[in-house]
Amino acid sequence: DSGVTQTPKHLITATGQRVTLRCSPRSGDLSVYWYQQSLDQGLQFLIQYYNGEERAKGNILERFSAQQFPDLHSELNLSSLELGDSALYFCASSGQGGTEAFFGQGTRLTVV
Amino acid sequence: EDQVTQSPEALRLQEGESSSLNCSYTVSGLRGLFWYRQDPGKGPEFLFTLYSAGEEKEKERLKATLTKKESFLHITAPKPEDSATYLCAVPYTGNQFYFGTGTSLTVIP
Repeated sequence: DSGVTQTPKHLITATGQRVTLRCSPRSGDLSVYWYQQSLDQGLQFLIQYYNGEERAKGNILERFSAQQFPDLHSELNLSSLELGDSALYFCASSGQGGTEAFFGQGTRLTVV
Repeated sequence: EDQVTQSPEALRLQEGESSSLNCSYTVSGLRGLFWYRQDPGKGPEFLFTLYSAGEEKEKERLKATLTKKESFLHITAPKPEDSATYLCAVPYTGNQFYFGTGTSLTVIP
């Protein structure tokens, strides 16, 4: 158990819909990262938050947004969903200074 | 420009047949190199952090080493339960992590 909790584990939704994925980081970790992993693809960095503030953006679509709340949990919002958004979405957290990131078990999103 | 390149993409080993996986990187001012194991449909599981050339870390049948340009993950006498995708990652630009595409290891009984 990495200490990072993601909910829900599975999500099936229709095209055009909006969903919210939730992540609780490890206790004490201020950084939260979101990654997308499509079938047979590598981990694609989406966005990073540090202590409530956006720190870095990767290949995140405009239809996607995220935030980190004062209690440090984070949510990834995906809207106007397309079939191609079907993927595993991982959250990870880390401490300061580039220390290792610990991953949650992911949310498997299926858009039908 | 790729920051991290892993090879081979896939590796099939007989049980007990030792081998090495490679991770080469081009990030300057390395602030650590991380190895992860990922099972299908699961989140990457942290294995090792290496910080400086010459450093080695071991865990069961796995040993990770680091040079100035690359890292190796040596697998000694692997077992079928070692089958997984092994990922390496380096931090850059603050706390972002750049992941390689991984080596898919299959150990045949």
